Amino acid sequence: NAGVMQNPRHLVRRRGQEARLRCSPMKGHSHVYWYRQLPEEGLKFMVYLQKENIIDESGMPKERFSAEFPKEGPSILRIQQVVRGDSAAYFCASLKSGSSYNEQFFGPGTRLTVL
Amino acid sequence: DAKTTQPPSMDCAEGRAANLPCNHSTISGNEYVYWYRQIHSQGPQYIIHGLKNNETNEMASLIITEDRKSSTLILPHATLRDTAVYYCIVMGPGTASKLTFGTGTRLQVTL
Repeated sequence: NAGVMQNPRHLVRRRGQEARLRCSPMKGHSHVYWYRQLPEEGLKFMVYLQKENIIDESGMPKERFSAEFPKEGPSILRIQQVVRGDSAAYFCASLKSGSSYNEQFFGPGTRLTVL
Repeated sequence: DAKTTQPPSMDCAEGRAANLPCNHSTISGNEYVYWYRQIHSQGPQYIIHGLKNNETNEMASLIITEDRKSSTLILPHATLRDTAVYYCIVMGPGTASKLTFGTGTRLQVTL
């Protein structure tokens, strides 16, 4: 039973380019969360999605960031016109539908470096 | 969600029990205590959770005080692989809420 998969594991972009981060949740999990961890800082919630719906985007920056979780395929976190401050580790987590408690399973993360 | 207070760091000798405290004095009656950990550079990992009774699983034990204002995570026989940052998180009964991570406790297990 494969865990949460994220790709790429490492991504290098120049300022102004776009970054696309992908997350494939565990089988049977319809809840996906994205968290960001800036260097030497804690994890911060960004967005929570269920299939085709954004449930909570209270942690998403207002500009340049977007997320989707289509009916088919992985969840995508998209960062347009990246800046150096976007350099961070981005973690995706998934939760099983109908879970009785909040055990989120995390992927290995994508390390984004903006040059 | 209630705020939590944890010591920034702790040391523990390998093979000994690691007792990680957490204060959550403003916890509400229907809020749970969750523990996650993050081993260096990896994604966080769920450890255990509880409401008011003590809980035990294959990874750890959770002791919650009777007034629920504090709790202790116990790793009974710490190993080097338990070196990580441990996060105590208090959240409501909704099972799909976002996780709000504080600064956690950096546990260093030594030989």
